[in-house]
Amino acid sequence: GAVVSQHPSWVICKSGTSVKIECRSLDFQATTMFWYRQFPKQSLMLMATSNEGSKATYEQGVEKDKFLINHASLTLSTLTVTSAHPEDSSFYICSARDGFREFFGPGTRLTVL
Amino acid sequence: AQSVTQLDSHVSVSEGTPVLLRCNYSSSYSPSLFWYVQHPNKGLQLLLKYTSAATLVKGINGFEAEFKKSETSFHLTKPSAHMSDAAEYFCVVSEAGGYNKLIFGAGTRLAVHP
Repeated sequence: GAVVSQHPSWVICKSGTSVKIECRSLDFQATTMFWYRQFPKQSLMLMATSNEGSKATYEQGVEKDKFLINHASLTLSTLTVTSAHPEDSSFYICSARDGFREFFGPGTRLTVL
Repeated sequence: AQSVTQLDSHVSVSEGTPVLLRCNYSSSYSPSLFWYVQHPNKGLQLLLKYTSAATLVKGINGFEAEFKKSETSFHLTKPSAHMSDAAEYFCVVSEAGGYNKLIFGAGTRLAVHP
């Protein structure tokens, strides 16, 4: 089946720094990628929808200047958490869509100290 | 707006006994519904999906779900639980139009005891 990777799988950073998370579709081209956030013992909440070559569409309540999304190619989308704070600590999951199928990455655990 | 409600946050079964994970949906039209499983440190995996074809949907690993419009339900079942089934399960509805975004339920943690 299709594979989606995320890098890094986990990251610890200091408050005020920026962190970039990569999402790659390894064996298919994804015109649309999605970024989710999952707090401990909670469900996935969609943050934004990313389309190759265009600006991301953010969900209500998600700060676009805080969570920068770039979808530079059909196989790569990046999420940059700018000026991270402890409340940004979470599990970030991306997914990539191939036609009507959606494949999820393994997630990135971000801990902000 | 579409939404899903998973009625149990935790379900515990013995190995070899049936599994029932309950999900109710809310939608103003015929929805697309999914069940995903999340194992620790692994990506979400699609178990099965309903897209207005047969109401009884068979998925991977022996799981199946039945779409019941009259009850607005899409419960997940398996005849005999295996230890490897222990995981978090999410019922998901696809939003109509636009990017057909996925809307996740709160999740049900399934524990399987020997």
